[in-house]
Amino acid sequence: AQRVTQPEKLLSVFKGAPVELKCNYSYSGSPELFWYVQYSRQRLQLLLRHISRESIKGFTADLNKGETSFHLKKPFAQEEDSAMYYCALSSGGSNYKLTFGKGTLLTVNP
Amino acid sequence: EAQVTQNPRYLITVTGKKLTVTCSQNMNHEYMSWYRQDPGLGLRQIYYSMNVEVTDKGDVPEGYKVSRKEKRNFPLILESPSPNQTSLYFCASRRQGANGYTFGSGTRLTVV
Repeated sequence: AQRVTQPEKLLSVFKGAPVELKCNYSYSGSPELFWYVQYSRQRLQLLLRHISRESIKGFTADLNKGETSFHLKKPFAQEEDSAMYYCALSSGGSNYKLTFGKGTLLTVNP
Repeated sequence: EAQVTQNPRYLITVTGKKLTVTCSQNMNHEYMSWYRQDPGLGLRQIYYSMNVEVTDKGDVPEGYKVSRKEKRNFPLILESPSPNQTSLYFCASRRQGANGYTFGSGTRLTVV
């Protein structure tokens, strides 16, 4: 069974401070990991995927298979980063089931 | 514009009155899925479909039905809605072999 854990429901930082949103996963095969962002109950938007190793809006995430983690990081948080962040895992293959964590609400204070 | 379209955006209904939430994608994606989003529980998968006429249960399928008669459409059917189905629903699609899912704008359903 696949599972995604985001240990922090809420995370509050000040503008300009570094931010790290934690994500741990459980899956026996080779997973695909994603980060999605949701602003004010709007649609979910894909932020990052581990395969592309890109940086979007200053965010990065590295897949650590040894620690089964995919933490999201940004060195200097901005107020517009305030949103709900979901880590998600896809089992790939023919199923493509996407399993989400419960989300972390990030608030960046001025 | 490539997108996933859900209708309606908002719906208030009464217990037991059958309803359908439509989902349509114009990207020729094989895979489509329905999720419900509830506070503190995140997103949970209701049903998914890997292609036309191929559907399967997700994690919380009770009280829901789906069909996939055409590739572009994947309606969610609530035969007898109950108040515990009050939630925010999202449809998503993905092309086979691709990374990332495209989500619809969501349908906020209230069952009274």
